Amino acid sequence: NAGVMQNPRHLVRRRGQEARLRCSPMKGHSHVYWYRQLPEEGLKFMVYLQKENIIDESGMPKERFSAEFPKEGPSILRIQQVVRGDSAAYFCASSPDYGSGELFFGEGSRLTVL
Amino acid sequence: AQSVTQLGSHVSVSEGALVLLRCNYSSSVPPYLFWYVQYPNQGLQLLLKYTTGATLVKGINGFEAEFKKSETSFHLTKPSAHMSDAAEYFCAVSHTGGFKTIFGAGTRLFVKA
Repeated sequence: NAGVMQNPRHLVRRRGQEARLRCSPMKGHSHVYWYRQLPEEGLKFMVYLQKENIIDESGMPKERFSAEFPKEGPSILRIQQVVRGDSAAYFCASSPDYGSGELFFGEGSRLTVL
Repeated sequence: AQSVTQLGSHVSVSEGALVLLRCNYSSSVPPYLFWYVQYPNQGLQLLLKYTTGATLVKGINGFEAEFKKSETSFHLTKPSAHMSDAAEYFCAVSHTGGFKTIFGAGTRLFVKA
């Protein structure tokens, strides 16, 4: 499958635990974006990364959330000390270059916090 | 700053009827405009996009959209709805040379038999 791969597809965590969501972009894509989708809401931009660099994290909550895109391996969105309000679908998208705007999405990771 | 407004969170049409999903945007620079579709429990797929050139854009599955600068609109249409069109549709904007795509809240399309 040459598409954007996200895992896990479903993740259940208890309050206070950590959640790690992984995203492998499409082959040849070096730009990764994370979005959060809450029920009945659109997608909210969280962070934009290139290899080893965070370009724009203006949509990331200031605490508990972090993202990385290392030189080797997938991009990771990490949520520490999860709370019930973190329950959402988290989508990763990638793009082949800067500026085209077209995004290729994974199928999402659905986080449920008990 | 950019923003997207989709009029109508839910739209219901009969099979074979015209589909019209409305989208208005604001952008201080020439926009790139997109429509994406999301089927249940899946990611978003690109339906069509406008960057430059012809203002009437044709996409997949018989959908098209027209960029109207004077109205800051990018409405999505399909002449004849099919049951398989039932999904959620998102309008989105980014700007020339930019990298952050802003999405509308989405419009859920229902198709009645």
